[in-house]
Amino acid sequence: GENVEQHPSTLSVQEGDSAVIKCTYSDSASNYFPWYKQELGKGPQLIIDIRSNVGEKKDQRIAVTLNKTAKHFSLHITETQPEDSAVYFCAAPSGYSTLTFGKGTMLLVSP
Amino acid sequence: DVKVTQSSRYLVKRTGEKVFLECVQDMDHENMFWYRQDPGLGLRLIYFSYDVKMKEKGDIPEGYSVSREKKERFSLILESASTNQTSMYLCASSSSPGTGYSDEQFFGPGTRLTVL
Repeated sequence: GENVEQHPSTLSVQEGDSAVIKCTYSDSASNYFPWYKQELGKGPQLIIDIRSNVGEKKDQRIAVTLNKTAKHFSLHITETQPEDSAVYFCAAPSGYSTLTFGKGTMLLVSP
Repeated sequence: DVKVTQSSRYLVKRTGEKVFLECVQDMDHENMFWYRQDPGLGLRLIYFSYDVKMKEKGDIPEGYSVSREKKERFSLILESASTNQTSMYLCASSSSPGTGYSDEQFFGPGTRLTVL
């Protein structure tokens, strides 16, 4: 099955800095890579995803890049704000409609 | 607005009790999932269902069972709760991909279960 590794497990940045979270996956056939954000007391929510036919996707301050050759993908957050503080999960498909999630990254943005 | 609801936010049970966790979605989704979330371990899939009365084991099904009698409702059952089942339980739903791609999963707020 799919194996997803996520780094770092915790990340502290100053407001306005950029943050990068990286994930690797094992199944070269994987074709969909979502990122979820979990705020305190809530369930995870999809913030951005990328499919294997593109190398980069942007949505305002967040972007995801995909390197299929190296089997890794990254989440980039620019101009971080305190409300970006949360746990972020990457994922990759692991079967029919199922996802394997990384272990999560706790991002703390200090004012 | 899409919604996945879970019956309880917090639950405290005794060892050996039978525990039911309920999940309801209002999006007419075919797929429903149960995960447990533990610090340092991320989200681990317990069971999922892609249709009414259908169920498939996930990565950690031991000690759990599920029931899906109606499309909108997916129940997680702990037949005899144990202390190592103390965790956050998250329910999610998604539509069938149709095109071979996975689709967005919508999560409920979670149930924090403590087994004493």
